[in-house]
Amino acid sequence: GAGVSQSPRYKVAKRGQDVALRCDPISGHVSLFWYQQALGQGPEFLTYFQNEAQLDKSGLPSDRFFAERPEGSVSTLKIQRTQQEDSAVYLCASSLALTVDNTDTQYFGPGTRLTVL
Amino acid sequence: AQSVTQLDSQVPVFEEAPVELRCNYSSSVSVYLFWYVQYPNQGLQLLLKYLSGSTLVKGINGFEAEFNKSQTSFHLRKPSVHISDTAEYFCAVNSKAAGNKLTFGGGTRVLVKP
Repeated sequence: GAGVSQSPRYKVAKRGQDVALRCDPISGHVSLFWYQQALGQGPEFLTYFQNEAQLDKSGLPSDRFFAERPEGSVSTLKIQRTQQEDSAVYLCASSLALTVDNTDTQYFGPGTRLTVL
Repeated sequence: AQSVTQLDSQVPVFEEAPVELRCNYSSSVSVYLFWYVQYPNQGLQLLLKYLSGSTLVKGINGFEAEFNKSQTSFHLRKPSVHISDTAEYFCAVNSKAAGNKLTFGGGTRVLVKP
């Protein structure tokens, strides 16, 4: 079956531009996560949705970052007025959320590599 | 707060030799532990996870890991590596208190040489 897909795979933006990154989770997956992976580092949590509800946005680095999942499936991560420090790979993951104790496997997409010039 | 330390940033190893990737974590509560692999230009793929029970966990592609609570470690091993195991490996921790978010280590890059 289809896995998590993300688009675009690569995005180059000039500093100050707004960007929108899309994530299509595995069909039927309730939970959706966004992570930021800087070059040479491990992924860092940004935000988490359960269906359309954003339950945790504690990892968003500034108010320039905004995520939504209006119908509980596709999600968009938007970054306003991009800065050079926003350059990173943005990973999306989804899980079934069958358990209530956070043991579900998260399935990751290939990521969007954002380069801000 | 929880954190993960991967002690080796790079591990060169010859084909068919064994490899061990070290992972230590810190957390004040019971944890769940994961190892993910990332091939170039791909997303992360789960190798194995420890939730409870037996401390020796077997995963895909011949990998296994052992949970050691007293040493707060979750080291990953493979007895004989292949060229195709060249990739980056990430250890991650989760807990009931963490609210679903995974906390990752910095990664270990494994380079298998012929």
